[in-house]
Amino acid sequence: DAKTTQPNSMESNEEEPVHLPCNHSTISGTDYIHWYRQLPSQGPEYVIHGLTSNVNNRMASLAIAEDRKSSTLILHRATLRDAAVYYCILFYNQGGKLIFGQGTELSVKP
Amino acid sequence: EPEVTQTPSHQVTQMGQEVILRCVPISNHLYFYWYRQILGQKVEFLVSFYNNEISEKSEIFDDQFSVERPDGSNFTLKIRSTKLEDSAMYFCASGLESNQPQHFGDGTRLSIL
Repeated sequence: DAKTTQPNSMESNEEEPVHLPCNHSTISGTDYIHWYRQLPSQGPEYVIHGLTSNVNNRMASLAIAEDRKSSTLILHRATLRDAAVYYCILFYNQGGKLIFGQGTELSVKP
Repeated sequence: EPEVTQTPSHQVTQMGQEVILRCVPISNHLYFYWYRQILGQKVEFLVSFYNNEISEKSEIFDDQFSVERPDGSNFTLKIRSTKLEDSAMYFCASGLESNQPQHFGDGTRLSIL
């Protein structure tokens, strides 16, 4: 399974943008880049995904490097509710299963 | 917004007993999954299920585990003879297609005594 590398933890101030990086140098052409997050005492929650182009939705933006070997999840204005563990996952188009790493624990300061 | 629901939220069982964890996936979803998370560790894939059969299972999913979709709405995970190391959060997830995002429930905390 293709692997991703994320910082163990990051800090942000409330209402400021947050850029969560992910390296995936061994990504293959059929891997989608998915981001999930897990709030305390809850199940993982889908955030966003993309293949090659940058993506936006109501929760976040995903910026994908041209060579696809890295990506960045962007939270435009962090809120206290965004404090969670964020997982960057390479998802094989036909695979079905999600392989979770340790993720990045994001803390948000008021 | 439709969601995946899991019951019970917390299950306490004696070692060696059978336990059934229940999930109601999102109604039009076709793909179903179980994951587990031991306290302080990563979320781990257990099994995927489609068209009334297992699509893929991990090494964790041994003969003590089974899954079933007994009717049109429920999806269950059974552990036949529980061990102490089965203590974990168990998450059910569902997806519309195999390549679509998965929606997770809030989990069942299983405690084996």
